[in-house]
Amino acid sequence: DAKTTQPPSMDCAEGRAANLPCNHSTISGNEYVYWYRQIHSQGPQYIIHGLKNNETNEMASLIITEDRKSSTLILPHATLRDTAVYYCIVRARSDFGNEKLTFGTGTRLTIIP
Amino acid sequence: NAGVTQTPKFRILKIGQSMTLQCAQDMNHNYMYWYRQDPGMGLKLIYYSVGAGITDKGEVPNGYNVSRSTTEDFPLRLELAAPSQTSVYFCASSDHRGYEQYFGPGTRLTVT
Repeated sequence: DAKTTQPPSMDCAEGRAANLPCNHSTISGNEYVYWYRQIHSQGPQYIIHGLKNNETNEMASLIITEDRKSSTLILPHATLRDTAVYYCIVRARSDFGNEKLTFGTGTRLTIIP
Repeated sequence: NAGVTQTPKFRILKIGQSMTLQCAQDMNHNYMYWYRQDPGMGLKLIYYSVGAGITDKGEVPNGYNVSRSTTEDFPLRLELAAPSQTSVYFCASSDHRGYEQYFGPGTRLTVT
């Protein structure tokens, strides 16, 4: 699996867009980019995933560069409840369809009032 | 739906004791997973299952055992607990597409 690199921490003002970068320069053609977050000590929560096209859902947008070596998760209007550790994970789809995810240490995002 | 439930929430074990961490899901998901998270670290996969009767090792399986007799339940057994197993344990499940894993609230285990 490709290795990912994320900044250990970031701050963002409440109401502003939070842009979380992820570097995955060794990603291969069949590997997806997943984002999860973990609020305090809760179980991780799925946010979004993508292969090569930009994706958007009700929680966030995922921008993947054309060469797929990096991506950015965008929370468009950050709230205090978005304070969490955000994990960028790169993983190929398995034959079964199940995903054995490998979590790094992520980015600790703090939303400032 | 209750989603993924785990019991107990907290447990303190003495070295050498055994216990079973319970995990259940009511979403009819085929795939289930056990992770552990040490302080300040990301999650590491212990075991996973692709369906009833089928289990396989993850990244850190030593010291643990699992079984999957039903679709709903995926218990994790610790034999001869060691201080190195002090951690927070998360159970998760996903459907056949596997894109989104649903996590339980976790079990905080301390071995002293």
